[in-house]
Amino acid sequence: SQQGEEDPQALSIQEGENATMNCSYKTSINNLQWYRQNSGRGLVHLILIRSNEREKHSGRLRVTLDTSKKSSSLLITASRAADTASYFCATDAGSSNTGKLIFGQGTTLQVKP
Amino acid sequence: DAGITQSPRYKITETGRQVTLMCHQTWSHSYMFWYRQDLGHGLRLIYYSAAADITDKGEVPDGYVVSRSKTENFPLTLESATRSQTSVYFCASHRMGELFFGEGSRLTVL
Repeated sequence: SQQGEEDPQALSIQEGENATMNCSYKTSINNLQWYRQNSGRGLVHLILIRSNEREKHSGRLRVTLDTSKKSSSLLITASRAADTASYFCATDAGSSNTGKLIFGQGTTLQVKP
Repeated sequence: DAGITQSPRYKITETGRQVTLMCHQTWSHSYMFWYRQDLGHGLRLIYYSAAADITDKGEVPDGYVVSRSKTENFPLTLESATRSQTSVYFCASHRMGELFFGEGSRLTVL
């Protein structure tokens, strides 16, 4: 069963615009993570936000977490063509420190030059 | 380079054949994982391992076998491949909450 559900499934924007992706989950968590996957490649970790955090930044990435709504959002500011990829949220479903994550189906982002 | 190495990267096989996908890490991470990625299903956990000789089932373990005799290796075996096992398989290791993925093994079962 899917723990994280991303919205939208696909997003197409122009270079320089901001991209926002949302993730909803079902059970309590210790942390939520976002991963990126370029076409034909493995997933790469972007950012982790703990359940007691509400917002976290890393470069052009901003992640928010609302545990009361069981949702998270990933904002990519000033997008670049190189940001074209699929983005996945993943939750630990309460089993922290094992790395056992449940992934959503992902949002495919296309950034047009 | 350090990281997760998967082999083969591409494999075509026939229904009923045995296939083994290899995974090797250059670190000494305790936890390792096998996921499969399919359109419409995202990534689903097949098996994971907490340490050498300790393995456990994930969400979709049927038809798969794993072993972990050494910390650095975590092979995944399809004992009798079926068409429904056509997928991209990812191996990953875990450190401090973060997963490190290999580049994937694309398996086609004819």
